[in-house]
Amino acid sequence: SYELTQPPSVSVSPGQTASITCSGDKLGDKYACWYQQKPGQSPVLVIYQDNNRPSGIPERFSGSNSGNTATLTISGTQAMDEADYYCQAWDSPTVVFGGGTKLTVL
Amino acid sequence: QVQLVESGGGVVQPGRSLRLSCAASGFTFSNYGMHWVRQAPGKGLEWVAVIWYDGSNKYYADSVKGRFTISRDNSKNTLYLQMNSLRAEDTAVYYCAREGEVGTISLAFDMWGQGTMVTVSS
Repeated sequence: SYELTQPPSVSVSPGQTASITCSGDKLGDKYACWYQQKPGQSPVLVIYQDNNRPSGIPERFSGSNSGNTATLTISGTQAMDEADYYCQAWDSPTVVFGGGTKLTVL
Repeated sequence: QVQLVESGGGVVQPGRSLRLSCAASGFTFSNYGMHWVRQAPGKGLEWVAVIWYDGSNKYYADSVKGRFTISRDNSKNTLYLQMNSLRAEDTAVYYCAREGEVGTISLAFDMWGQGTMVTVSS
Protein backbone atom coordinates (compact mmCIF):
# COMPACT_ATOMS: atom_id res chain seq x y z
CA SER A 1 0.00 0.00 0.00
CA TYR A 2 1.05 3.57 -0.64
CA GLU A 3 2.71 5.46 2.21
CA LEU A 4 3.41 9.11 2.92
CA THR A 5 6.19 9.99 5.36
CA GLN A 6 6.43 13.22 7.34
CA PRO A 7 8.90 14.31 10.02
CA PRO A 8 7.24 14.04 13.44
CA SER A 9 8.19 17.55 14.43
CA VAL A 10 9.51 20.82 13.05
CA SER A 11 10.48 23.90 15.02
CA VAL A 12 10.66 27.48 13.78
CA SER A 13 11.19 30.92 15.26
CA PRO A 14 8.47 33.53 14.83
CA GLY A 15 8.86 35.42 11.58
CA GLN A 16 11.04 32.73 10.02
CA THR A 17 10.16 30.23 7.29
CA ALA A 18 8.96 26.74 8.17
CA SER A 19 9.17 23.87 5.72
CA ILE A 20 7.36 20.58 6.26
CA THR A 21 8.07 17.71 3.90
CA CYS A 22 5.98 14.75 2.80
CA SER A 23 7.65 11.87 0.98
CA GLY A 24 6.12 9.11 -1.11
CA ASP A 25 7.03 7.06 -4.14
CA LYS A 26 6.59 9.27 -7.22
CA LEU A 27 4.48 11.64 -5.17
CA GLY A 28 5.16 14.34 -7.76
CA ASP A 29 2.98 12.38 -10.19
CA LYS A 30 0.03 12.83 -7.86
CA TYR A 31 -1.66 15.88 -6.37
CA ALA A 32 -0.75 16.60 -2.76
CA CYS A 33 -2.73 18.63 -0.29
CA TRP A 34 -2.18 19.80 3.27
CA TYR A 35 -4.32 20.18 6.36
CA GLN A 36 -3.78 22.13 9.55
CA GLN A 37 -5.20 20.79 12.79
CA LYS A 38 -5.10 22.64 16.08
CA PRO A 39 -5.77 20.87 19.38
CA GLY A 40 -9.39 19.92 19.84
CA GLN A 41 -10.36 21.14 16.38
CA SER A 42 -11.19 19.54 13.06
CA PRO A 43 -8.62 19.65 10.25
CA VAL A 44 -8.62 22.63 7.90
CA LEU A 45 -7.46 22.48 4.29
CA VAL A 46 -4.59 24.91 3.69
CA ILE A 47 -3.17 23.74 0.35
CA TYR A 48 -4.78 21.69 -2.43
CA GLN A 49 -3.52 20.41 -5.77
CA ASP A 50 0.09 20.92 -4.71
CA ASN A 51 0.15 24.72 -4.51
CA ASN A 52 -3.33 26.24 -4.34
CA ARG A 53 -4.75 28.03 -1.33
CA PRO A 54 -8.46 27.83 -0.50
CA SER A 55 -10.26 31.06 0.13
CA GLY A 56 -9.38 32.51 3.52
CA ILE A 57 -5.98 30.84 3.87
CA PRO A 58 -3.20 33.42 4.32
CA GLU A 59 -0.69 33.98 1.53
CA ARG A 60 2.16 32.90 3.80
CA PHE A 61 1.08 29.29 3.17
CA SER A 62 2.45 27.78 -0.03
CA GLY A 63 3.16 24.36 -1.43
CA SER A 64 5.22 22.50 -3.97
CA ASN A 65 5.44 18.93 -5.19
CA SER A 66 8.12 17.30 -7.32
CA GLY A 67 9.84 13.96 -7.56
CA ASN A 68 9.15 12.06 -4.36
CA THR A 69 8.55 15.04 -2.09
CA ALA A 70 5.82 17.55 -1.44
CA THR A 71 6.62 20.55 0.74
CA LEU A 72 4.44 22.91 2.75
CA THR A 73 6.13 26.24 3.33
CA ILE A 74 4.98 28.83 5.83
CA SER A 75 6.68 32.18 5.35
CA GLY A 76 6.81 34.65 8.21
CA THR A 77 5.51 32.00 10.60
CA GLN A 78 3.23 33.30 13.34
CA ALA A 79 2.43 31.87 16.74
CA MET A 80 -1.07 31.03 15.49
CA ASP A 81 0.46 28.64 12.94
CA GLU A 82 1.53 26.25 15.70
CA ALA A 83 -0.43 23.09 14.91
CA ASP A 84 -0.25 19.60 13.46
CA TYR A 85 0.03 19.43 9.69
CA TYR A 86 -0.95 16.47 7.54
CA CYS A 87 -0.25 15.81 3.90
CA GLN A 88 -2.67 13.79 1.83
CA ALA A 89 -2.71 12.22 -1.61
CA TRP A 90 -4.78 9.76 -3.57
CA ASP A 91 -3.72 6.20 -4.27
CA SER A 92 -6.80 5.87 -6.40
CA PRO A 93 -9.41 4.95 -5.55
CA THR A 94 -8.32 5.28 -1.93
CA VAL A 95 -6.84 8.14 0.06
CA VAL A 96 -3.63 8.27 2.07
CA PHE A 97 -2.57 10.64 4.84
CA GLY A 98 0.91 11.26 6.09
CA GLY A 99 1.59 10.61 9.75
CA GLY A 100 1.52 14.29 10.62
CA THR A 101 4.07 16.90 11.68
CA LYS A 102 3.83 18.95 14.83
CA LEU A 103 4.95 22.50 14.08
CA THR A 104 6.28 24.34 17.11
CA VAL A 105 6.78 28.10 16.94
CA LEU A 106 9.29 29.15 19.58
CA GLN B 1 -25.12 27.68 7.16
CA VAL B 2 -22.77 25.38 5.32
CA GLN B 3 -21.88 22.56 7.68
CA LEU B 4 -21.49 18.88 8.42
CA VAL B 5 -22.71 17.52 11.75
CA GLU B 6 -21.84 14.01 12.87
CA SER B 7 -23.78 11.99 15.42
CA GLY B 8 -24.11 8.45 16.69
CA GLY B 9 -20.85 7.99 18.52
CA GLY B 10 -20.61 6.41 21.94
CA VAL B 11 -19.20 3.56 23.96
CA VAL B 12 -19.72 0.08 22.53
CA GLN B 13 -18.44 -3.36 23.42
CA PRO B 14 -16.04 -5.24 21.15
CA GLY B 15 -17.86 -7.21 18.49
CA ARG B 16 -20.93 -5.00 18.57
CA SER B 17 -22.21 -2.54 15.96
CA LEU B 18 -22.74 1.20 15.70
CA ARG B 19 -24.07 3.51 12.99
CA LEU B 20 -22.75 7.01 12.54
CA SER B 21 -24.60 9.76 10.71
CA CYS B 22 -23.42 12.98 9.13
CA ALA B 23 -26.05 15.61 8.37
CA ALA B 24 -25.13 18.08 5.64
CA SER B 25 -26.65 21.52 5.21
CA GLY B 26 -26.10 24.70 3.24
CA PHE B 27 -24.91 23.05 0.03
CA THR B 28 -26.13 20.62 -2.64
CA PHE B 29 -25.16 17.39 -0.92
CA SER B 30 -25.87 15.22 -3.96
CA ASN B 31 -23.12 16.97 -5.94
CA TYR B 32 -20.27 15.84 -3.71
CA GLY B 33 -18.27 12.75 -2.92
CA MET B 34 -18.15 12.16 0.81
CA HIS B 35 -15.61 10.51 3.08
CA TRP B 36 -15.14 9.23 6.59
CA VAL B 37 -11.80 9.90 8.27
CA ARG B 38 -10.89 8.84 11.79
CA GLN B 39 -8.33 9.85 14.37
CA ALA B 40 -7.39 7.61 17.29
CA PRO B 41 -6.60 9.44 20.54
CA GLY B 42 -3.25 11.19 20.21
CA LYS B 43 -2.70 9.79 16.72
CA GLY B 44 -2.85 11.00 13.14
CA LEU B 45 -5.59 11.05 10.56
CA GLU B 46 -6.63 7.77 8.96
CA TRP B 47 -8.86 7.65 5.90
CA VAL B 48 -11.73 5.17 6.29
CA ALA B 49 -14.05 5.22 3.29
CA VAL B 50 -15.43 7.18 0.34
CA ILE B 51 -18.77 7.19 -1.46
CA TRP B 52 -19.31 8.86 -4.78
CA TYR B 53 -21.81 11.71 -5.13
CA ASP B 54 -24.52 9.36 -6.43
CA GLY B 55 -23.65 6.37 -4.26
CA SER B 56 -22.54 4.37 -7.27
CA ASN B 57 -19.08 3.56 -5.95
CA LYS B 58 -17.69 2.94 -2.49
CA TYR B 59 -14.14 2.21 -1.38
CA TYR B 60 -12.65 1.31 1.98
CA ALA B 61 -9.38 1.24 3.86
CA ASP B 62 -8.05 -2.29 4.32
CA SER B 63 -8.40 -1.89 8.09
CA VAL B 64 -12.21 -1.68 7.87
CA LYS B 65 -13.02 -3.56 4.67
CA GLY B 66 -15.70 -6.16 5.24
CA ARG B 67 -16.73 -4.66 8.59
CA PHE B 68 -17.76 -1.09 7.76
CA THR B 69 -20.27 0.10 5.17
CA ILE B 70 -20.57 3.65 3.90
CA SER B 71 -23.88 4.83 2.47
CA ARG B 72 -25.80 8.00 1.79
CA ASP B 73 -29.36 9.23 1.42
CA ASN B 74 -29.32 12.23 -0.88
CA SER B 75 -32.99 12.90 -0.20
CA LYS B 76 -32.11 13.40 3.47
CA ASN B 77 -28.72 15.06 2.89
CA THR B 78 -27.17 12.48 5.17
CA LEU B 79 -24.07 10.27 5.08
CA TYR B 80 -23.80 7.10 7.12
CA LEU B 81 -21.17 4.70 8.38
CA GLN B 82 -22.35 1.32 9.57
CA MET B 83 -19.66 -0.21 11.75
CA ASN B 84 -19.88 -3.91 12.57
CA SER B 85 -17.59 -6.28 14.48
CA LEU B 86 -16.01 -3.35 16.26
CA ARG B 87 -12.55 -3.71 17.75
CA ALA B 88 -10.61 -1.77 20.35
CA GLU B 89 -8.44 -0.37 17.57
CA ASP B 90 -11.50 1.28 16.00
CA THR B 91 -11.61 3.68 18.95
CA ALA B 92 -11.30 7.15 17.43
CA VAL B 93 -12.95 10.41 16.59
CA TYR B 94 -14.79 9.90 13.31
CA TYR B 95 -15.06 12.83 10.96
CA CYS B 96 -17.13 13.13 7.83
CA ALA B 97 -15.50 15.23 5.14
CA ARG B 98 -16.63 16.68 1.85
CA GLU B 99 -14.52 16.16 -1.22
CA GLY B 100 -14.12 19.35 -3.17
CA GLU B 101 -16.06 19.73 -6.37
CA VAL B 102 -14.40 18.59 -9.57
CA GLY B 103 -12.88 21.57 -11.33
CA THR B 104 -12.56 23.59 -8.15
CA ILE B 105 -11.00 22.15 -5.00
CA SER B 106 -10.58 18.71 -6.48
CA LEU B 107 -9.03 15.75 -4.69
CA ALA B 108 -9.05 17.43 -1.28
CA PHE B 109 -11.39 17.66 1.67
CA ASP B 110 -12.69 21.22 1.78
CA MET B 111 -15.15 20.77 4.62
CA TRP B 112 -15.05 18.70 7.79
CA GLY B 113 -17.53 18.00 10.53
CA GLN B 114 -16.75 18.44 14.20
CA GLY B 115 -16.32 14.70 14.70
CA THR B 116 -18.02 12.08 16.87
CA MET B 117 -16.14 9.90 19.34
CA VAL B 118 -16.41 6.13 19.18
CA THR B 119 -14.99 4.13 22.06
CA VAL B 120 -14.80 0.35 21.79
CA SER B 121 -14.32 -1.13 25.22
CA SER B 122 -15.68 -3.87 27.42
